[in-house]
Amino acid sequence: QKEVEQNSGPLSVPEGAIASLNCTYSDRGSQSFFWYRQYSGKSPELIMFIYSNGDKEDGRFTAQLNKASQYVSLLIRDSQPSDSATYLCAVNIGWAGTALIFGKGTTLSVSS
Amino acid sequence: GAGVSQSPSNKVTEKGKDVELRCDPISGHTALYWYRQRLGQGLEFLIYFQGNSAPDKSGLPSDRFSAERTGESVSTLTIQRTQQEDSAVYLCASSRDRVFPGELFFGEGSRLTVL
Repeated sequence: QKEVEQNSGPLSVPEGAIASLNCTYSDRGSQSFFWYRQYSGKSPELIMFIYSNGDKEDGRFTAQLNKASQYVSLLIRDSQPSDSATYLCAVNIGWAGTALIFGKGTTLSVSS
Repeated sequence: GAGVSQSPSNKVTEKGKDVELRCDPISGHTALYWYRQRLGQGLEFLIYFQGNSAPDKSGLPSDRFSAERTGESVSTLTIQRTQQEDSAVYLCASSRDRVFPGELFFGEGSRLTVL
């Protein structure tokens, strides 16, 4: 059974702080990892992906992957109220030809 | 169109009726996914189509659920004998799976309410 686990939150941080979102996955063979953002009432959109162990930075976002610990995280620096949304971790077992499995999401609330 | 198109956007039906939900993916996208999202919940994988390969149906919750896709075009998700627990938003997504797997483009969803 492929599982992706996230703390549902809500995670509340003040504006300007760092928000840290965590995700664990069960299948050790997982190859690629994605973070999607979903605003209330909207569909998810991709914000970050990571394939290799270590950190990957894109603007205010940093994805971190540790395959040995089966752990992936997303850091949001200088959090803004517009970052308030649900963040979904997604895992792809293979490179292609396999389904993308999502966690239940963590709700982030950034207060001004 | 430029994006993933789903219809109907809203569907209210009576318990026991059959419903069909339609998804028109982005042109050229070989992979197509159906997910279910209950109110306040995450995305529950239902089925995945990749080109002409056999679909991954491992997420379908019961034999009341079925989906079809012809080639790399439109897909239809059918729910027979609907139950109240089927009420949810059904999201379709497509991707250029062989080029960038995991970059899914989602439609706006079909909101199903079973009375």
